Amino acid sequence: RKEVEQDPGPFNVPEGATVAFNCTYSNSASQSFFWYRQDCRKEPKLLMSVYSSGNEDGRFTAQLNRASQYISLLIRDSKLSDSATYLCVVNNNDMRFGAGTRLTVKP
Amino acid sequence: GAVVSQHPSWVICKSGTSVKIECRSLDFQATTMFWYRQFPKQSLMLMATSNEGSKATYEQGVEKDKFLINHASLTLSTLTVTSAHPEDSSFYICSAMGQARGYTFGSGTRLTVV
Repeated sequence: RKEVEQDPGPFNVPEGATVAFNCTYSNSASQSFFWYRQDCRKEPKLLMSVYSSGNEDGRFTAQLNRASQYISLLIRDSKLSDSATYLCVVNNNDMRFGAGTRLTVKP
Repeated sequence: GAVVSQHPSWVICKSGTSVKIECRSLDFQATTMFWYRQFPKQSLMLMATSNEGSKATYEQGVEKDKFLINHASLTLSTLTVTSAHPEDSSFYICSAMGQARGYTFGSGTRLTVV
């Protein structure tokens, strides 16, 4: 079983749609969790950290369920500029990446 | 904010030659640096973890004699791909961790071996 698993997509959605990504991780001792965004041929950039209580940053909401070892990212009111690959990242002294979920937002 | 400079951004080399990639933390001291490799349409795979002044820890399946990592100072780590072959063509990216700064990525190096 992979350490971090994500649905690879692709997700093709119209502008304004709400889209949700899921991620599961295998190491129950994992300490911290993140969502990164990676544009084509670029380095990943931190989108947001994920906290047990759930956290929101504008149109983005992240949730963590430690019991189920499950992380989610919700994007509301999708913009064209949201098109990218979203990486679920789990940290336990080093960062382990999911394979990423590709999102394309269309006009 | 924390900045990590990685160069070269891209390199094309002949099969059998060696390529050195540098990763520098510009405004903080990086106690730990990570090297990743990403093949097209795949995730970033951790290759090795290096701590300043000590030997790197390599992930299973990564040849330490082929991918030489040196972390001689708190601001510089290098990855040398020795005797590169076409199958080593990939996107290599470093990440640096400083105290209380979390992780910062370099901009990546696209290596093409011909």
